[in-house]
Amino acid sequence: AQSVTQLDSQVPVFEEAPVELRCNYSSSVSVYLFWYVQYPNQGLQLLLKYLSGSTLVKGINGFEAEFNKSQTSFHLRKPSVHISDTAEYFCAVSDQGAQKLVFGQGTRLTINP
Amino acid sequence: NAGVTQTPKFRVLKTGQSMTLLCAQDMNHEYMYWYRQDPGMGLRLIHYSVGEGTTAKGEVPDGYNVSRLKKQNFLLGLESAAPSQTSVYFCASSYPSTQFFGPGTRLTVL
Repeated sequence: AQSVTQLDSQVPVFEEAPVELRCNYSSSVSVYLFWYVQYPNQGLQLLLKYLSGSTLVKGINGFEAEFNKSQTSFHLRKPSVHISDTAEYFCAVSDQGAQKLVFGQGTRLTINP
Repeated sequence: NAGVTQTPKFRVLKTGQSMTLLCAQDMNHEYMYWYRQDPGMGLRLIHYSVGEGTTAKGEVPDGYNVSRLKKQNFLLGLESAAPSQTSVYFCASSYPSTQFFGPGTRLTVL
């Protein structure tokens, strides 16, 4: 079985500052990894995913994440955040082929002007 | 394409009442899912379906039933609602390896 830990429940940053949202997972098999974003009162939108290949994955809205197999991590980064990035971010994992996602608890990103 | 849609958007129930949440997708996806989202707990899988006529239990199935009579629809039923079922419910459908989510249903049980 897989599990996901998002190390920060809340991350406040100033506008135009860089941000990193941390995600660690555990699994005994090879995995797929995902980041979803949830804007206030909306559903979840896929930001990016790692299935195979390059460990640096680029997503929408200038976000990227790096898969680190040895550290079982998939941290999300953005070099310069905007007020519109205020949202909750969820990391998720599935084992390859199972198509069931296990989610982390979420990280609330707050951007201060 | 509408993607994944959910009906209703909001609902208030009294303890013991029943209701059905409807999820519809127009992407011809085989897999569909129901999750609940509670503060600080992320999303937890209630039930899922790998194709028309099939259903399976997820992480938190107690108190819920589901049906997948048509490929495009996935229904979630609460036979006797309890306050512990107050939550936001999300439906998703899956293209191989990637899930797409609906806008959610906010359910309050008094």
